Amino acid sequence: QSVLTQPPSASGTPGQRVTISCSGSSSNIGDYTVNWYQQLPGTAPKFLIYSNNQRPSGVPDRFSGSRSGTSASLAISGLQSDDEADYYCATWDDSLNGVVFGGGTKLTVL
Amino acid sequence: QVTLRESGPALVNPTQTLTLTCTFSGFSLSTRGMCVSWIRQPPGKALEWLARIDWDDDKYYTTSLKTRLTISKDTSKNQVVLTLANMAPVDTATYYCARMLGGGSTFDKWGQGTLVTVSS
Repeated sequence: QSVLTQPPSASGTPGQRVTISCSGSSSNIGDYTVNWYQQLPGTAPKFLIYSNNQRPSGVPDRFSGSRSGTSASLAISGLQSDDEADYYCATWDDSLNGVVFGGGTKLTVL
Repeated sequence: QVTLRESGPALVNPTQTLTLTCTFSGFSLSTRGMCVSWIRQPPGKALEWLARIDWDDDKYYTTSLKTRLTISKDTSKNQVVLTLANMAPVDTATYYCARMLGGGSTFDKWGQGTLVTVSS
């Protein structure tokens, strides 16, 4: 299974705030910054959050990230139907000397 | 404008070696700090990082596939090539290449991906 643990699913209604967690260890999240990717159905992943809490140009401020210890989280406020997608966390892992991804969280907007 | 495009066979026989090419534009892999990675995604499953090559030709591979993977670059052609030996049905996946800035896990630009099916 994935080195980083994410809940397989999350849901919310339009306008709500949802959070997605990403749990790791001292060899990955504990030592390195976390990035988040959004994958809309049938498309390539999109760069969403970098360095734990920074948004690339063009990403709405409804999306925010945080990291504490060996866990990270992605928050989406003002949920929209367009936010329905899979979300992945990623970081570097010292023990594996490579990039590790979470198992992904499927967000459903009810 | 940065773009990346993957190319290669859509169908591969078991035991064959897969060769994929990532052709990119809008940046140079000879620029300090630039890196390109390959990531794959089996149908309905999660993303899996495979390999990375840096501007200075440093290379990194996922531990589980290290013996089967080779990554290389042709800076003059703006291409990165990935080979995966001894293909099996479990290697069926969409393969993506992505640009990285400064290594880590920051994939800021992705190709559209190419689906590779392993079947006889």
